Amino acid sequence: EAGVTQFPSHSVIEKGQTVTLRCDPISGHDNLYWYRRVMGKEIKFLLHFVKESKQDESGMPNNRFLAERTGGTYSTLKVQPAELEDSGVYFCASSRTIYTQYFGPGTRLTVL
Amino acid sequence: QKEVEQNSGPLSVPEGAIASLNCTYSDRGSQSFFWYRQYSGKSPELIMFIYSNGDKEDGRFTAQLNKASQYVSLLIRDSQPSDSATYLCAGGADAGGTSYGKLTFGQGTILTVHP
Repeated sequence: EAGVTQFPSHSVIEKGQTVTLRCDPISGHDNLYWYRRVMGKEIKFLLHFVKESKQDESGMPNNRFLAERTGGTYSTLKVQPAELEDSGVYFCASSRTIYTQYFGPGTRLTVL
Repeated sequence: QKEVEQNSGPLSVPEGAIASLNCTYSDRGSQSFFWYRQYSGKSPELIMFIYSNGDKEDGRFTAQLNKASQYVSLLIRDSQPSDSATYLCAGGADAGGTSYGKLTFGQGTILTVHP
């Protein structure tokens, strides 16, 4: 069974630019989550999809972040415009049940 | 006060010893708790979850939960150098609420097992 995949693995952009991160969950997993870890801090929850619907987006920091999940399959997280404080590692996770979230390798985002 | 607190370590134990990792949480609504292992530059990997008071054992790992004391621990018996990693404690939200899928992580404890 293939794991959660994320693309790109690294992204370096300038402040004010737009970046789109992609996550492909494990096949058959209806639940998809986005988390973020900024330097020196703990991993923080951003949002949770169930199929194509946003179940919980309480962790989204502001309206510069837009997450979508087309047809309940892959998901994208767009940051527009990017700010310096958006730098960090963005993890995607998926699960069949709430007890076993499988994490992807993460996308390291650097905003200069 | 952080919602989930861990001693950042590093915790250093000799090979073959028991490593004890601890975690406290502030949200009494948390119903389930998770231990993840993360090797440097890799993704967090789920080791165990626990949602009932008491102990849960899986191979060399034992998770312990004490809801009255709001305390979770992970014991690793017969520690091996390959267990050297960062161990993340996470609390799950109330399963009946909107945020039932949300995990709240601690900062992680760095464990080093030396030969």
